[in-house]
Amino acid sequence: GENVEQHPSTLSVQEGDSAVIKCTYSDSASNYFPWYKQELGKGPQLIIDIRSNVGEKKDQRIAVTLNKTAKHFSLHITETQPEDSAVYFCAAPDTGRRALTFGSGTRLQVQP
Amino acid sequence: EAQVTQNPRYLITVTGKKLTVTCSQNMNHEYMSWYRQDPGLGLRQIYYSMNVEVTDKGDVPEGYKVSRKEKRNFPLILESPSPNQTSLYFCASSSKTGNTEAFFGQGTRLTVV
Repeated sequence: GENVEQHPSTLSVQEGDSAVIKCTYSDSASNYFPWYKQELGKGPQLIIDIRSNVGEKKDQRIAVTLNKTAKHFSLHITETQPEDSAVYFCAAPDTGRRALTFGSGTRLQVQP
Repeated sequence: EAQVTQNPRYLITVTGKKLTVTCSQNMNHEYMSWYRQDPGLGLRQIYYSMNVEVTDKGDVPEGYKVSRKEKRNFPLILESPSPNQTSLYFCASSSKTGNTEAFFGQGTRLTVV
């Protein structure tokens, strides 16, 4: 099955700085890599995803990069704002079970 | 509004008392699943269902049951809850299996004493 490792577990940045969260995966057949944001008291919500036929995808202040050779992908948040404070999860498909396997999460704190 | 609805949001129960957490989605999704979230462990899948009457075990199925009699509903059943099942539970649905957006409910915080 798929194994997804996520680092760091906590990240504190100053407002306006950039934040980077990294994940590695084990299943070379995986072809879809989403990132979810979980705000306090809510369920995770998709913020960006990337498929294996591209190396980078951007959506305003967030971007995801994928290195299929090294089997890792990263979330980049630029010009961070206090409302970016949340727990972020990466995920990759377990092709055997046809399900998403999630990383252990990163708690991002943006200090005003 | 497209949504996944879980009930209850909070539940405190005693060891051994059967309980059911309901989950309903209004997006006509075929794929539904249950996760538990524990500190430092992320989201771990308990059970999933690829369609009506089709269910299968996830990573941590012990102590749980599910059913999928209708497409929109996917209840999670704890026949004899134990304290190690104290956790935050999420139901999720998606149109396909594992390679498309999953929509999550608001979560159910369960405490077993």
